[in-house]
Amino acid sequence: SAVISQKPSRDICQRGTSLTIQCQVDSQVTMMFWYRQQPGQSLTLIATANQGSEATYESGFVIDKFPISRPNLTFSTLTVSNMSPEDSSIYLCSVDGTVGAFFGQGTRLTVV
Amino acid sequence: AQSVTQPDIHITVSEGASLELRCNYSYGATPYLFWYVQSPGQGLQLLLKYFSGDTLVQGIKGFEAEFKRSQSSFNLRKPSVHWSDAAEYFCAVGAGSSASKIIFGSGTRLSIRP
Repeated sequence: SAVISQKPSRDICQRGTSLTIQCQVDSQVTMMFWYRQQPGQSLTLIATANQGSEATYESGFVIDKFPISRPNLTFSTLTVSNMSPEDSSIYLCSVDGTVGAFFGQGTRLTVV
Repeated sequence: AQSVTQPDIHITVSEGASLELRCNYSYGATPYLFWYVQSPGQGLQLLLKYFSGDTLVQGIKGFEAEFKRSQSSFNLRKPSVHWSDAAEYFCAVGAGSSASKIIFGSGTRLSIRP
């Protein structure tokens, strides 16, 4: 199994600002994923981040709004840009396992 | 495209009663299937997974799930629920080479009646 650390665990941000969420894993992994969980909703995949290449975004998500970095095999960041109250969600990262994925504890973001 | 359907938004069962949560999937090949649980304010915990072999899968906390290819289903069961089982349950399918790209269903919220 992999141990995943996400920072910050929670934050309250002003609309119009940006927040960068960090995801650190304790072993080298090929793929990292970013999810959003809006209040009372399921988890939706935002993008897949592979080291050395640009992230692949799912339908409805764009790089200008959610830029992602993947500088090495143990770290990734997701930035939520120009935030609005609709961006209030839990953001989770996950990494590939032997079969399936391991999830971090998530970042609870509130935009006011 | 892969998808997962959980037809029950909210289920309430009495403590000690049996439980079955429904899940149907759509996937072109042999699916990798998962059940996750999310307790209030907690992270996601993997209950069990299926990717081959015996179609009845045992998981943690006394849960089991049965893969039925003919019905495209992967229902979660527990013979006797405890108050601590109250949580949100997500069925999911894994895509990609290691099935690590997880596509979630909409979730079923389980409430326990004392």
